[in-house]
Amino acid sequence: NAGVTQTPKFQVLKTGQSMTLQCAQDMNHEYMSWYRQDPGMGLRLIHYSVGAGITDQGEVPNGYNVSRSTTEDFPLRLLSAAPSQTSVYFCASSYSISGRFEQFFGPGTRLTVL
Amino acid sequence: AQSVTQPDIHITVSEGASLELRCNYSYGATPYLFWYVQSPGQGLQLLLKYFSGDTLVQGIKGFEAEFKRSQSSFNLRKPSVHWSDAAEYFCAVGFTGGGNKLTFGTGTQLKVEL
Repeated sequence: NAGVTQTPKFQVLKTGQSMTLQCAQDMNHEYMSWYRQDPGMGLRLIHYSVGAGITDQGEVPNGYNVSRSTTEDFPLRLLSAAPSQTSVYFCASSYSISGRFEQFFGPGTRLTVL
Repeated sequence: AQSVTQPDIHITVSEGASLELRCNYSYGATPYLFWYVQSPGQGLQLLLKYFSGDTLVQGIKGFEAEFKRSQSSFNLRKPSVHWSDAAEYFCAVGFTGGGNKLTFGTGTQLKVEL
């Protein structure tokens, strides 16, 4: 199994550009999430999904859109990039057994917005 | 809402010395607790997790953590640190029925002196 994969690894955007960060998992996990990591702030939840067709906002959703048309994929869209969105983005997937869960993280995408 | 505090931003220990990284959480019920490690430029690797039961949890790489309900703490320990343990460590809290979301602390950067 490849686990959780993210593309691209690195990306540089100009202010106002749009792009999609890709995330895929091959573990048939129901739950998927996007986090951003900024220095001194740990990881903060952007959006999450509890299954195909179901998404919800996390702690810092502004400026980001998500959709989940399949179990495997959970892309994150930046519609108009801003310098404040310079960050490292991690996608995660998880299963749940009797309420207990474990999240598996992808390798991350380092995004710079100029 | 739940929160996680890691009071130590940086910690330096000598190789072979013992280590304790502090984590305090705020949550109304018994949370699920996790410790992750992140090496430079890498993703997050799960060290250990606590759901219920025995309050002393063993993890990978010789780490352990103890859940203390009275102190709302979940401190990470290792009896003898190796140079390869230098990394950033994150404590996280989750709960059942919450979409498998995690709330992270801001992290503790561990430096190991040879």
